[in-house]
Amino acid sequence: EVQLVESGGDLVPPGGSLRLSCVISGSNISNYEINWVRQAPGKGLEWVSYISSRGNVQYHADSVEGRFTISRDNAKNSVYLQLNSLRVEDTARYYCASVVVVAAYTYFGPWGQGTLVTVSS
Amino acid sequence: DIQMTQSPSSLSASVGDRVTITCRASQSISTYLNWYQQKQGEAPKVLIYAASTLPRGVPSRFSGSGSGTDFTLTISRLQPEDFATYSCQQSLASPYTFGQGTKLEI
Repeated sequence: EVQLVESGGDLVPPGGSLRLSCVISGSNISNYEINWVRQAPGKGLEWVSYISSRGNVQYHADSVEGRFTISRDNAKNSVYLQLNSLRVEDTARYYCASVVVVAAYTYFGPWGQGTLVTVSS
Repeated sequence: DIQMTQSPSSLSASVGDRVTITCRASQSISTYLNWYQQKQGEAPKVLIYAASTLPRGVPSRFSGSGSGTDFTLTISRLQPEDFATYSCQQSLASPYTFGQGTKLEI
């Protein structure tokens, strides 16, 4: 089964930058579409970004559009999320999740364990 | 964007109880509705997709129903390991929005 492991979370000041990584193992990453989902402390899940299996299609939530960029390097089995111009409200645990397609339906799974981003001065 | 609203936000129940959580979409999403379970300190895990289909390995005490805008997740006989937070998600169109979650407590 495919496994995902995130890294790169840290404490950064407002306006700072980070790059999160999601390493996929157990299968050929080029088969998988990947999403980033975040969860602020005590809050619900918020979808952040999506990238297609070949990397030619990306989507971002309005709340991060223009500040966050998703990318991938299939040769390194990795997907990245570049976080720029960070705000206090970006504080959250960031999960990467693969997309499972069954007929016309999709769902997220499996997920990594998440990496914590804290934006504070 | 499609908004997803769950109710209740929290729910107290006991082992053996039958519980129902509802999810409403701001527009019709047919049966493009997923349910996730998240235990404290863990990543979410899919429970149901396509509104009523259980992935392999999910216990049959979980069931889902609904189409259009109104959906329900039912747990027929609560087990101790079911106390967690449950979230719905629409998969009709990007952004794949989630409900705010329902915390199921003892």
